[in-house]
Amino acid sequence: EVQLEESGGGLVKPGGSLRLSCVGSGLIFKKAWLNWVRQAPGKGLEWIGRMKSNLDGGTVDYAAPVKGRFSISRDDSRDTLYLDMNSLRVEDTAVYYCGSGYPDHWGQGTQVTVST
Amino acid sequence: DVVMTQTPVSLSVTPGQAASISCKSSQSILSRDGKTYLYWYLQKPGQSPQLLIYEVSSRFSGVPDRFSGSGSGTDFTLKISRVEAEDVGVYYCMQGLYLPRTFGQGTKVEI
Repeated sequence: EVQLEESGGGLVKPGGSLRLSCVGSGLIFKKAWLNWVRQAPGKGLEWIGRMKSNLDGGTVDYAAPVKGRFSISRDDSRDTLYLDMNSLRVEDTAVYYCGSGYPDHWGQGTQVTVST
Repeated sequence: DVVMTQTPVSLSVTPGQAASISCKSSQSILSRDGKTYLYWYLQKPGQSPQLLIYEVSSRFSGVPDRFSGSGSGTDFTLKISRVEAEDVGVYYCMQGLYLPRTFGQGTKVEI
């Protein structure tokens, strides 16, 4: 069974930074294309970025609202995907999910709150 | 960006009845490889999204056969043949051909 587990969320002030992690199990992690998707309170789903497997080039793509502020990376030796978030804004407040594949499997999400 | 538009915004159904959700993309999501990268997700209350349908009409592992997807080009439909209480939640379509990936705004299904 594929499982993804996010961690690292919390409360941060505007302009601050945070690193989210997503640990995978039950899948061949090094072959997986991995996504980050977020959901602001009471809102729909917003794709924010994806990292291909290193076997497929390791390319990273970002959505416009986070490009230049957020960075996606992975450590296949630890079966872990990361989301480094800098220059955080109030509007980045959301539950952040990692997802593998389409995404076809999702984690349970981690809450990020940006507030003074 | 490709805009995904879902209708209706909300749907109230009686258990055992059929339900249908429409999703329209602002441009064709038919790839040169012949596949159409349209996905359907269900987010049950308090849960993460779960994949129901991939590539328009293929049911994901474990998804009941009362869920079916159809469509082509820019117009797509998710049908639930006989709604059950456990089907409540918000349904999203998503295009997976272009970057950024984009979701519809969601359709809330209530019993």
